[in-house]
Amino acid sequence: GESVGLHLPTLSVQEGDNSIINCAYSNSASDYFIWYKQESGKGPQFIIDIRSNMDKRQGQRVTVLLNKTVKHLSLQIAATQPGDSAVYFCAENLPSGGSNYKLTFGKGTLLTVNP
Amino acid sequence: KAGVTQTPRYLIKTRGQQVTLSCSPISGHRSVSWYQQTPGQGLQFLFEYFSETQRNKGNFPGRFSGRQFSNSRSEMNVSTLELGDSALYLCASSSGLAGAHLAKNIQYFGAGTRLSVL
Repeated sequence: GESVGLHLPTLSVQEGDNSIINCAYSNSASDYFIWYKQESGKGPQFIIDIRSNMDKRQGQRVTVLLNKTVKHLSLQIAATQPGDSAVYFCAENLPSGGSNYKLTFGKGTLLTVNP
Repeated sequence: KAGVTQTPRYLIKTRGQQVTLSCSPISGHRSVSWYQQTPGQGLQFLFEYFSETQRNKGNFPGRFSGRQFSNSRSEMNVSTLELGDSALYLCASSSGLAGAHLAKNIQYFGAGTRLSVL
C-alpha cells in the first residue's frame, strides 16, 4: 500500500499568510524526498527536494523540513500567493540498487489561497 | 528547451478497446517514466524506460505495456480497456544518469493524457 501519506487533504489560507503542508512516510530506508506542485490541467511541477542526510532545505519562498525521527516531511510556503493554489504532492524514493528507483507519491493536499 | 510533450491530451474509448499514448521527453533526457493518476489512488508508478529497455516496473497488470524508441520517445499501450482504467496518464522524463542518485535525475512531467473509458 501507500507508504507516503498526507495529514490534511485540503488547506485554505489567506493571501500573504504562510502555508504548511505536511507529509508522513513509513519507510525509514527512504533516502530522498521531493515536493511537486500540480495546477489544474497540468502535470506535476518540481518544487524542491531534500536528501535524508539533511533536515532542512530552502528555496525561493519555500522550505522543506525533514524529521527522520518521526518520519515526517513538511513544505512551508512563505507569503502565499493566489498562484500557489494547487495540489501539492510529496514523493519518496526507496533505493533498490544501482540506477533502479521508484518514486512513491502521497495522495496530495489541495491548497487554496483566498485573496 | 521544450518540455515533456504528451499526445493526445484527451481520449475517449470503450471497454475492450486498446489505446496507445505517446510521450516525447525533454531533449537529451534518456529516461521516461509513466504514471497513472486517479482521484482514489493518486499517482501510481507504471514503468520506466531507459535506452529502449524497461528498467523499472510498478504493480500493474500485463495489459499495461510500453516501449521506448531510439530517439527516447516512448509509447504506452493499454489493451482490453476497463472502466477503471479511466485516469490521467502522466509521463515524466529525466536524464537517467546510470548509477547516479535520483537527486541528479529529477523527473519533469508532461501535462498528461486524460483517458476516459465508457
